[in-house]
Amino acid sequence: IAGITQAPTSQILAAGRRMTLRCTQDMRHNAMYWYRQDLGLGLRLIHYSNTAGTTGKGEVPDGYSVSRANTDDFPLTLASAVPSQTSVYFCASSDQGGTEAFFGQGTRLTVV
Amino acid sequence: RKEVEQDPGPFNVPEGATVAFNCTYSNSASQSFFWYRQDCRKEPKLLMSVYSSGNEDGRFTAQLNRASQYISLLIRDSKLSDSATYLCVVNPPHDYKLSFGAGTTVTVRA
Repeated sequence: IAGITQAPTSQILAAGRRMTLRCTQDMRHNAMYWYRQDLGLGLRLIHYSNTAGTTGKGEVPDGYSVSRANTDDFPLTLASAVPSQTSVYFCASSDQGGTEAFFGQGTRLTVV
Repeated sequence: RKEVEQDPGPFNVPEGATVAFNCTYSNSASQSFFWYRQDCRKEPKLLMSVYSSGNEDGRFTAQLNRASQYISLLIRDSKLSDSATYLCVVNPPHDYKLSFGAGTTVTVRA
């Protein structure tokens, strides 16, 4: 089934540990995004990529890094997790920036 | 000021009722507008795009008011299955990213 897949679906992580959230899409979309969603704050953009090989910072990029080596994959890395990074993380893709975005099922991350 | 602001609600309505709510956006040159639906603990999904002339999809009607910089969503003949959080989404000009409102929660009761 075509779409966008995230892994893991949930994770409990010790503070200070490194973690990579995976995101893969098979729709050949150019643009990909990582959002975090916290109660009362809505979806906030962490990083984005308009096309393979390019990335950009969103609204809340500190503590996160991304790479876009190819069209399909857009991993998000937390170099040294902190409790404030406890959140639900959504990966999304769109054919081009500013158009309809399709979301993965989310990763629920708890940093303790 | 946030780029996109929504009344968080909740709007509690009986089945069959009509419910409507708005979303305001700060950048007057914004190009694209959408309403997304999000069910509890699930990913957001596109409900409908919002066009300048207004558009309708079944029981859902979306309107854009550029002069006052808001978009609206109206749900007629509410169903229990309409209970969800509705996210207003705006694409600012010269930007590839989408800006999301915090969402409006609608609960339809039997």
